[in-house]
Amino acid sequence: SQKIEQNSEALNIQEGKTATLTCNYTNYSPAYLQWYRQDPGRGPVFLLLIRENEKEKRKERLKVTFDTTLKQSLFHITASQPADSATYLCALSGGTSYGKLTFGQGTILTVHP
Amino acid sequence: GAVVSQHPSRVICKSGTSVKIECRSLDFQATTMFWYRQFPKQSLMLMATSNEGSKATYEQGVEKDKFLINHASLTLSTLTVTSAHPEDSSFYICSAREGTSSTDTQYFGPGTRLTVL
Repeated sequence: SQKIEQNSEALNIQEGKTATLTCNYTNYSPAYLQWYRQDPGRGPVFLLLIRENEKEKRKERLKVTFDTTLKQSLFHITASQPADSATYLCALSGGTSYGKLTFGQGTILTVHP
Repeated sequence: GAVVSQHPSRVICKSGTSVKIECRSLDFQATTMFWYRQFPKQSLMLMATSNEGSKATYEQGVEKDKFLINHASLTLSTLTVTSAHPEDSSFYICSAREGTSSTDTQYFGPGTRLTVL
C-alpha cells in the first residue's frame, strides 16, 4: 500500500540554524509534491509545490528538493526563527484530474530563541 | 490571497443528532472542494471530493450516508454528519481549488472542531 513517512515526529533547533525536514514515500509515483504549514487548531497553509521533473525549488528562506530515485523530499528553512515553529506536512499528488492529496503525518518544528 | 472560511469553528452536539458544517470560498469560485478529517496528532485524511453540481466521490471506508456532502454552488459546500456518535469527534477541514489541474493550489479552511457527547 502507499505510504508517506515524515521521519521525525518532532524537530527542535536553535534560532538562526537551518531546519531540514524529510519526507519519504513508497509504492507511489507522485507527479507533484507539496509542503504545507499547519498551526495548532488551524487548517494547513500551502508553502511550495515541486514537480517530479524538478530537482529543487526555492521561495525566500524555504528550499525543497525532490529525488524520485530515492523517493524522498527534503524541506529546508534557513535562518530559522521562533515564528517558524509549527507542524509541517508533506503531501503527494498522483497527477490525476482531481489532484487528490495524500498527506504525511507531519513534523512538529520548534525553533528556540 | 484566496480565502476559505468554515462555519462553525467549534460545535458540541449530543449523540444521535446531525451537524452541518459549511465551507465557503470567499474570493474565488471553487470548481472542486475536498473534505478532510484529522484526529489528534495524526495527519489529514481525505474523506471525499466534491465538484459543483455533481455527486461527491467518497474515499474507501467513508460512509456516504453518514457524511452527506452537498456542493450546490461554486462558493459553498456543506458536510452533514448524520446521527453523530462520539467516535465522529474530530477536526474537520475543507479545502477549495479554483481549477481542475493538480497543480492548482488547494486553499484550506480554518477547520471545525466537532465534539459529540
